[in-house]
Amino acid sequence: GAVVSQHPSRVICKSGTSVKIECRSLDFQATTMFWYRQFPKQSLMLMATSNEGSKATYEQGVEKDKFLINHASLTLSTLTVASAHPEDSSFYICSALTRRSYNEQFFGPGTRLTVL
Amino acid sequence: GDSVTQMEGPVTLSEEAFLTINCTYTATGYPSLFWYVQYPGEGLQLLLKATKADDKGSNKGFEATYRKETTSFHLEKGSVQVSDSAVYFCALPIGGKLIFGQGTELSVKP
Repeated sequence: GAVVSQHPSRVICKSGTSVKIECRSLDFQATTMFWYRQFPKQSLMLMATSNEGSKATYEQGVEKDKFLINHASLTLSTLTVASAHPEDSSFYICSALTRRSYNEQFFGPGTRLTVL
Repeated sequence: GDSVTQMEGPVTLSEEAFLTINCTYTATGYPSLFWYVQYPGEGLQLLLKATKADDKGSNKGFEATYRKETTSFHLEKGSVQVSDSAVYFCALPIGGKLIFGQGTELSVKP
């Protein structure tokens, strides 16, 4: 149980295009979902926290207009990187909390974004 | 403020060697503590956890004991395998979020 999927697993796009990444909780309802960014050989950086049906809460320094988060249902959150540029290339990981998991987050497999 | 400090890597060991990865934390109260593992190109998986002082979390031969007096949660394994090669993160849940250590890369050679 508590499986989180991400789609796509890998995306390569041209500079200036927008990219949407989906995060789904497959066998549970996620009260809260998180989006992280990870650079090579580094730890995870929390970008934003989202709750179903409400606006995401962004961490300091994260551009809301660049990284658009929508948490439309209890099983789906999306991250859209608007007008992506090479500096947005990174590994993006989502995670989810369940009502019963208390503070244990379940992580997706990650999405590798490469912007040319 | 709340924080997690991990032993820096990378750590390179031979198969069957003993592993210790140090983790210390700063927090008010007595939060739960986690160890997550990240295999190459993948997301994070929970390896083990402890929810209160003196608890010992264990999984897949790995152990960690929540030490309140030293504010530590060191990860240990008696005999590592090549398949244990990964990055290990100590994490502290605070305010609904996870505070991660910087990660320790482990490489096990046959």
